[in-house]
Amino acid sequence: DAGVTQSPTHLIKTRGQQVTLRCSPISGHKSVSWYQQVLGQGPQFIFQYYEKEERGRGNFPDRFSARQFPNYSSELNVNALLLGDSALYLCASSFGGTGTEAFFGQGTRLTVV
Amino acid sequence: GESVGLHLPTLSVQEGDNSIINCAYSNSASDYFIWYKQESGKGPQFIIDIRSNMDKRQGQRVTVLLNKTVKHLSLQIAATQPGDSAVYFCAEISNQAGTALIFGKGTTLSVSS
Repeated sequence: DAGVTQSPTHLIKTRGQQVTLRCSPISGHKSVSWYQQVLGQGPQFIFQYYEKEERGRGNFPDRFSARQFPNYSSELNVNALLLGDSALYLCASSFGGTGTEAFFGQGTRLTVV
Repeated sequence: GESVGLHLPTLSVQEGDNSIINCAYSNSASDYFIWYKQESGKGPQFIIDIRSNMDKRQGQRVTVLLNKTVKHLSLQIAATQPGDSAVYFCAEISNQAGTALIFGKGTTLSVSS
């Protein structure tokens, strides 16, 4: 079975642009979460979706938004990119919405110049 | 083997030694904890988890210990191998944020032959 897949793997954008990152969870998993990891730090929670509904939101500005589709895949959108948005964006999938094993994808490395 | 009581950002061991990585978690209400291994350029890899109704859980070459009294978590790796070299993170589930994973400070484990 395929693990969590994310696309693209790398991306370079200019300040002010918008970006869309994509995630496909493990087959059968209904929950997708997004995390931002800047160099040298642990991942920081951005969003969680379960059964297509937002279950949680971290301390990120409204420039960050996400959604989950009927097939449980998900997109993370970031508008008006800032240099500080440069990071590894990770997607994690889990079967349930509460306290279950979460498995991460390889991430999308976003560089804002 | 190496044994530390406090979190250290780096830990260096010899191949074959036992390693102990420590983590202090923040929320006394957290009831689920996961250890992740992250290699350079990759997403976090699930190692082992433990629920708050347990104080010890064993996997293949790894053991997690939970001390709820002092909000402390440790990961023990037996017979450490060069392939164990990575950054290790503990994570807790914070139900206050919709089951988001809250990551602790990572520990970089370096294993020399």
